[in-house]
Amino acid sequence: AQSVTQLDSHVSVSEGTPVLLRCNYSSSYSPSLFWYVQHPNKGLQLLLKYTSAATLVKGINGFEAEFKKSETSFHLTKPSAHMSDAAEYFCVVSDRGNQGGKLIFGQGTELSVKP
Amino acid sequence: DGGITQSPKYLFRKEGQNVTLSCEQNLNHDAMYWYRQDPGQGLRLIYYSQIVNDFQKGDIAEGYSVSREKKESFPLTVTSAQKNPTAFYLCASSPGLYTDTQYFGPGTRLTVL
Repeated sequence: AQSVTQLDSHVSVSEGTPVLLRCNYSSSYSPSLFWYVQHPNKGLQLLLKYTSAATLVKGINGFEAEFKKSETSFHLTKPSAHMSDAAEYFCVVSDRGNQGGKLIFGQGTELSVKP
Repeated sequence: DGGITQSPKYLFRKEGQNVTLSCEQNLNHDAMYWYRQDPGQGLRLIYYSQIVNDFQKGDIAEGYSVSREKKESFPLTVTSAQKNPTAFYLCASSPGLYTDTQYFGPGTRLTVL
């Protein structure tokens, strides 16, 4: 069965410094992997998606993630944090075994950005 | 929020009352989903529908009901049987059966008084 583990519940960085949000997954299939962002009391916005093409995936707002099959990881990075990046981030795997693309969500990582 | 609307944004209800949350999409997507989010937790799937007049239980369907009479609409009813209904509810849609990217609405925060 598919599962997702976000290794940090909270990450705090200073503005202008790099961001690293860690995600490990377990999947019996060739997975689709996603990162979504959620600002307070808002819906989720898709940052990026991996679907077995290039292992380095570029997303919106300067974020990118690298799929590493040997490490079963899909960490999210950004070279320089902005104050507007403060939000909750979810790593998600698609359950390909279930038609319709059921999503399995990680617990979320709250990113704080200090001025 | 990508053409998905949820209403109302905030909802209060008394214990023992049923309440219906609205979800509408104008993206022409076949599949729609309802999730529940609790503080410090990821999203959990309540119900999903892959096509009009068909829907399936998700992981936490007890105490909830849905209908899918129109392609663009997927209302969720939180019944009095739901023991702990206070939560943030998110609706999502995706283009079709084999498309796994989902697009989310802005959410409804339900509080039981």
